[in-house]
Amino acid sequence: SQQGEEDPQALSIQEGENATMNCSYKTSINNLQWYRQNSGRGLVHLILIRSNEREKHSGRLRVTLDTSKKSSSLLITASRAADTASYFCATGLNQAGTALIFGKGTTLSVSS
Amino acid sequence: GAVVSQHPSWVICKSGTSVKIECRSLDFQATTMFWYRQFPKQSLMLMATSNEGSKATYEQGVEKDKFLINHASLTLSTLTVTSAHPEDSSFYICSARDQLAGGYNEQFFGPGTRLTVL
Repeated sequence: SQQGEEDPQALSIQEGENATMNCSYKTSINNLQWYRQNSGRGLVHLILIRSNEREKHSGRLRVTLDTSKKSSSLLITASRAADTASYFCATGLNQAGTALIFGKGTTLSVSS
Repeated sequence: GAVVSQHPSWVICKSGTSVKIECRSLDFQATTMFWYRQFPKQSLMLMATSNEGSKATYEQGVEKDKFLINHASLTLSTLTVTSAHPEDSSFYICSARDQLAGGYNEQFFGPGTRLTVL
């Protein structure tokens, strides 16, 4: 099963620009996480935001969570070519021990 | 800490053969492990939840007789793709949950196994 939708599906920007990706989900959650995946590689955990948090920062990443709208956004500031990857949101449900459910992902391409 | 390994990292096999993929938690004990499948340019789809010492729970549409899961120890889960066919070619990713983790769902992901069935 798939929890959420990301938009846009694909995003192309120039180095130095900001990239914003959005994620919507359907059920109540305990937390929401963002992952990066370079082509053909494994997942890299970026950031986790809990359901009682509204915003979180980590370096050039800023994540917001709006539980009333069941949505989250990931902002990458001052993007670099190395940020080129697919980005997925994943939701953790309130039931402990259950799997993360992934959204469809956004493919980000940053050109220099 | 919290490292999960998978073996092999890639495998090519002939149609009709069986392939076993191992998922190990290297520095923590995992009572629960999860198996995901990812087709090219798509997201990760949960296949099954593997609990140590009990039968796996499969997601709807995943054939339990085709994808055999064994979680015999707190650090190892295996996924066996039986009688593999080209449509089983995919990227298989496991994750493990630290049994000492808090209430939220922190999972640690393996690097994935790319299966190509000829």
